[in-house]
Amino acid sequence: QVQLVQSGAEVKKPGASVKVSCKATEYTFNNFYIHWVRQAPGQGLEWVGVINPRGGSASYAQQFQGRVTMTSDTSTSMIYLEVSSLRSEDAAMYFCARSNLYDSSGHSDSWGQGTLVTVSS
Amino acid sequence: EIVMTQSPATLSVSPGERATLSCRASQSVRSNLAWYQQKPGQAPRLLIYGASSRATGVPARFSGSGSGTEFTLTINSLQSEDFAVYYCQQYNKWPPLTFGGGTKVQIK
Repeated sequence: QVQLVQSGAEVKKPGASVKVSCKATEYTFNNFYIHWVRQAPGQGLEWVGVINPRGGSASYAQQFQGRVTMTSDTSTSMIYLEVSSLRSEDAAMYFCARSNLYDSSGHSDSWGQGTLVTVSS
Repeated sequence: EIVMTQSPATLSVSPGERATLSCRASQSVRSNLAWYQQKPGQAPRLLIYGASSRATGVPARFSGSGSGTEFTLTINSLQSEDFAVYYCQQYNKWPPLTFGGGTKVQIK
């Protein structure tokens, strides 16, 4: 059964960085993009960016350029999202989700359980 | 960036009735449109892709239609487990992927 398992909740101070992980299991890791989507409390879904695990090339939403880094480790089927210079507005649930790399369709048929990031002084 | 607009923001429906949700794109996305269901405390779940294809395991009471800029998600004979928030997403021109603001389907 396809699974994306994310790391646990994080509490960070403003200005700090956070690194969230997503482990993929039971599918061919290199055949699917991994997207990160975040959801602030009571709000909708916001796309953060995407990484191609094969090669590690990433693309980020404009509002996150320069503050977000996505990396992949094919040896462990892990994807990482790092957000730097955290501010209160970054407090959200962060989800990883996969989409098919070969047909470039962007819909996600499998999602991680989410990682709650709290930003508080 | 393609802007997705969903309406209404909230829909009150009685169990057993039909719910009709709308999604509009700021420019044509052809049929590259997905619908997701999200329940409190859970990750989104893919319901529909390609505007009208049901994802694996999705009941037949869920159906999607439309192309270009206007899309509809219809839920026939609403069950208790269908009360949730629904999001549309375009993937015709990405990055970035963009989502609508969501429609909350609540019990009337």
